[in-house]
Formats: sequence, structure tokens, C-alpha cells
Amino acid sequence: RKEVEQDPGPFNVPEGATVAFNCTYSNSASQSFFWYRQDCRKEPKLLMSVYSSGNEDGRFTAQLNRASQYISLLIRDSKLSDSATYLCVVNHNYGQNFVFGPGTRLSVLP
Amino acid sequence: DTGVSQDPRHKITKRGQNVTFRCDPISEHNRLYWYRQTLGQGPEFLTYFQNEAQLEKSRLLSDRFSAERPKGSFSTLEIQRTEQGDSAMYLCASSLYQGITEAFFGQGTRLTVV
Repeated sequence: RKEVEQDPGPFNVPEGATVAFNCTYSNSASQSFFWYRQDCRKEPKLLMSVYSSGNEDGRFTAQLNRASQYISLLIRDSKLSDSATYLCVVNHNYGQNFVFGPGTRLSVLP
Repeated sequence: DTGVSQDPRHKITKRGQNVTFRCDPISEHNRLYWYRQTLGQGPEFLTYFQNEAQLEKSRLLSDRFSAERPKGSFSTLEIQRTEQGDSAMYLCASSLYQGITEAFFGQGTRLTVV
């Protein structure tokens, strides 16, 4: 079993739709959590950090459930420009290696 | 440009040759990471440094792979006797060792072994 698992995807949604991505992690020592976005043939870029109380950044909402070792990302009113692969990332002990999930590809269709 | 810089961006090499990649992290970042990514997969951790010390190596890092960060600034990743299975994107990232902090990635070096 991989340490970080994500919805397999791909997700194909129309513009304006709401889409949710799920992620689970197996290492209970994980301390920090992130969502990264990766466009085709580009490097991953931070979308948002995920805090215990949940956090929102515009159309994006992230949730963390430490008891269930589960992270989610909700995108509301999706735009064509949201089309990308979304990577769930966990980090142990504040700076040891960042462990990436396999990613979930999103295509937003006109 | 003050981001993470990688060189070269692309490398085509013949099987059996040695290759070396360079990464220049964000200047104040003391942690530096190497990852490998193949098509359709997330980045896989290879190794990381805190300053010049190599603190962790993945089992993916066979004895043909070696990484250095001699003065705690730039890093090199060398692959000896390349194999076709080494074809991948090699990503470098850096971060601050200070609480909860994200990693910033370079644009990667795409290696093709023919």
C-alpha cells in the first residue's frame, strides 16, 4: 500500500461545477499537509497548505481529518484554467521528505 | 530569478553513459530535495540534504545514483551507467527548515536514455 493515496481520476467536469478530491495517508506521524497543482510537463506548485481547522482560499477549500488520516480538496465554480493534476502531499516532522500521492487529473470542459 | 534553478532542462544520453544534473536552490533555503517523476505518477523521493549533510536516501537511490551538496548551496545528482529505466523527470526542490513550510520546485531535468 502506498503511503499517500488519491482518487484515481481523471475527473472530467463542466465549467462551473464543484469537484472534490480525496486523499488518505498511512503514516500517523505526518505533521504537515499540502495540495500541489501540476500542469502538464511543468513542475509542481503549491496550491495551498492544509490546516487542522480546515482552510479556504477563494474557490478552494481544504479539510484535514487527522483521526481518519484523510485530506480533501474542494473546488467550487471550476474554471478551464483549473485543468491540471492535483497532488496530495504529506510531510513528517516538519521538513523531512515530502511524500506525494500519485495525483488526480482534472479536466474542466467548456 | 530567485526560484529553484535546474540544469540542464533536457538530457538525452546513451545507455551506459554517466550524467550529472545540477540544482541551485532558493538562496536562503537550507533543505534541498531530489525527486524523480515518471509519466502519470507523482514525484518519488530520492534524497534530501540539510545544508551539506545528506540526511535521508530512498531505497530507490541505487548505488548508481549519488548526490552531493558540497557547500550547502547547489547540489548535483549523478547517475552512473544509465539504464533505459532511468528515463524520467528529475525534480529538485528546496525549503526552509522552520516549522510548517512548503517545498518549492525547479522546472526539472528531463532525462531520456536511448
